[in-house]
Amino acid sequence: DVKVTQSSRYLVKRTGEKVFLECVQDMDHENMFWYRQDPGLGLRLIYFSYDVKMKEKGDIPEGYSVSREKKERFSLILESASTNQTSMYLCASSLGGPGGRAGELFFGEGSRLTVL
Amino acid sequence: AQSVAQPEDQVNVAEGNPLTVKCTYSVSGNPYLFWYVQYPNRGLQFLLKYITGDNLVKGSYGFEAEFNKSQTSFHLKKPSALVSDSALYFCAVRDKASRGSTLGRLYFGRGTQLTVWP
Repeated sequence: DVKVTQSSRYLVKRTGEKVFLECVQDMDHENMFWYRQDPGLGLRLIYFSYDVKMKEKGDIPEGYSVSREKKERFSLILESASTNQTSMYLCASSLGGPGGRAGELFFGEGSRLTVL
Repeated sequence: AQSVAQPEDQVNVAEGNPLTVKCTYSVSGNPYLFWYVQYPNRGLQFLLKYITGDNLVKGSYGFEAEFNKSQTSFHLKKPSALVSDSALYFCAVRDKASRGSTLGRLYFGRGTQLTVWP
């Protein structure tokens, strides 16, 4: 079974702390994504990566950074957490290339972050 | 620019009745279209996609969707709803002409909460 694993399902952090969210996929996918999901706002793309060490900003990159040192791993970093970053964070991966398969995203279970 | 609109935040339907979850899209070229479902406290799951060919596509769990180019719509349907279909549904689009670094990116709607009551 294909799998995207997010390191933590639930985290509670304090304002100003550095937060790492880890995501690992076992499907040898080229593309990886980080979204945040908030009620009424749907899914908003934070960053994505289409290859090792490559990254692109999504719609809401401010306050976040990412790292992709290995193909299977994509990390989201909150340098200094703030209360408005309390959210559900979803990692996803997909095949690369121009075809429709690149739109078939495989999602992790999500990481619910609370910043106090 | 690419975008998706899901005009209904909520859809309520009785078990056994047909259901429709609406989606309209905007792309500059031809679209790839997708539906995803999210069950409570879970990540999203791929449901079905339209790439080319037959306008009616069938997916998992008895769902189907109809691509209508003239109306730029891709509505999700099921002939007979089940209580277990209750979930959050997301429509997504990607321009076939996407190139380069944006190639794999999808644009999602805000989601429609489907509730099927017994």
